Amino acid sequence: DAKTTQPNSMESNEEEPVHLPCNHSTISGTDYIHWYRQLPSQGPEYVIHGLTSNVNNRMASLAIAEDRKSSTLILHRATLRDAAVYYCILRGDGGSNYKLTFGKGTLLTVNP
Amino acid sequence: NAGVTQTPKFQVLKTGQSMTLQCAQDMNHNSMYWYRQDPGMGLRLIYYSASEGTTDKGEVPNGYNVSRLNKREFSLRLESAAPSQTSVYFCASRRTGRNEKLFFGSGTQLSVL
Repeated sequence: DAKTTQPNSMESNEEEPVHLPCNHSTISGTDYIHWYRQLPSQGPEYVIHGLTSNVNNRMASLAIAEDRKSSTLILHRATLRDAAVYYCILRGDGGSNYKLTFGKGTLLTVNP
Repeated sequence: NAGVTQTPKFQVLKTGQSMTLQCAQDMNHNSMYWYRQDPGMGLRLIYYSASEGTTDKGEVPNGYNVSRLNKREFSLRLESAAPSQTSVYFCASRRTGRNEKLFFGSGTQLSVL
């Protein structure tokens, strides 16, 4: 299974942009890149996902490298409510379509 | 909409006791998942069910059994609880298609003494 690598922690200031990186050098051509986040004492929640093109939604943007070996989750203006653990995961195709595994994620701290 | 409902929210067991964690979803999803999360750690996949009637092992299946009772319900059973199974357990169901995503329950905090 393709793996992802994320920094253990990152820090940001409120109202500044945040770029959360994820490396997935062994990604296959049919793997989707998903991002979830987990607020303190809650279950994870979906943020965004994409395959090849950059994606935007109301929560964040996802920038995918041209070779797809890395991606970046962009929070355009961090708020204190964005302090969470952010997980980058790959959703495979075929037989691995259903086996969704999370790593340790990146703990984002947002300073007021 | 209730989404994914897990019961109980908290449980304390003695070593060797058994119990079943319940999970139900009302979104008509085919796929469901059980994860555990130890303090300060990420989520680890225990078992998953791609569809009603099928279950598969995840990363850490030892010590657990699952039952996909019907499309709505996916239960996780600890036959003989051990202190190493102290963790927070999350159930999830998956919406597929263009707007695919996982929906998580609020978790069950389990302590095994």
